[in-house]
Amino acid sequence: QVQPVQSGAEVKKPGSSVKVSCRASGGTFSSYAISWVRQAPGQGLEWMGGIIPNYGTTNYAQKFQGRVTITADESATTIYMELRSLRSDDTAVYYCARDRRRQWLVISPKYYGMDAWGQGTTVTVSS
Amino acid sequence: DIVVTQTPLSLSVTPGQPASISCKSSQSLLDSDGMTYLHWYLQKPGLPPQLLIYEVSKRVSGVPDRFSGSGSGTDFTLKISRVEAEDVGIYYCMQTIQPTFGPGTKVDIK
Repeated sequence: QVQPVQSGAEVKKPGSSVKVSCRASGGTFSSYAISWVRQAPGQGLEWMGGIIPNYGTTNYAQKFQGRVTITADESATTIYMELRSLRSDDTAVYYCARDRRRQWLVISPKYYGMDAWGQGTTVTVSS
Repeated sequence: DIVVTQTPLSLSVTPGQPASISCKSSQSLLDSDGMTYLHWYLQKPGLPPQLLIYEVSKRVSGVPDRFSGSGSGTDFTLKISRVEAEDVGIYYCMQTIQPTFGPGTKVDIK
């Protein structure tokens, strides 16, 4: 099974941007939706958005619209999540997760349950 | 936005006893395609979440059959028939019509 592997921890200044990557170990993500989920310290899970790499189709949580961009490389091997205008409350562990079901020719990704998760990337925003 | 609530927010269970977690959404999770987009995750301490149950009641391969999911529309339940020590962690329901997670239910052992 393809396993997501994420990039390392980041420390950023308020107002800057961060770009976290999620690589498919053992294959490609192809037609599986990939989500980004974050977890602030001691808090619950928050879905940020997702992409189907083969088609580049994305959707985002309203809270992050305009501040986050999720992209995929041409080979559908690596997914990127860029978050801009960072604030201290963006300090969190960011996870990528692969959906359990392939999708074809969809206008907007659907999510059927995320059954493979990356190890998480800690992003710390501090002056 | 669809709001998801869970009760209780914490649960302390004697090993071998049952446990039940309720999940309610502010809108029906039955989509026009006939599927109900409600899933359950367990996050053990220090680890990423793991998918336990998808589409209300379908257990992921390898998940013990003491875990079961039920419900429809806006009301859903996760049941553990006999809690074991390895079941400790935080349980989240998640709806994926417009994806959001519930607040989580922390389960520990008495």
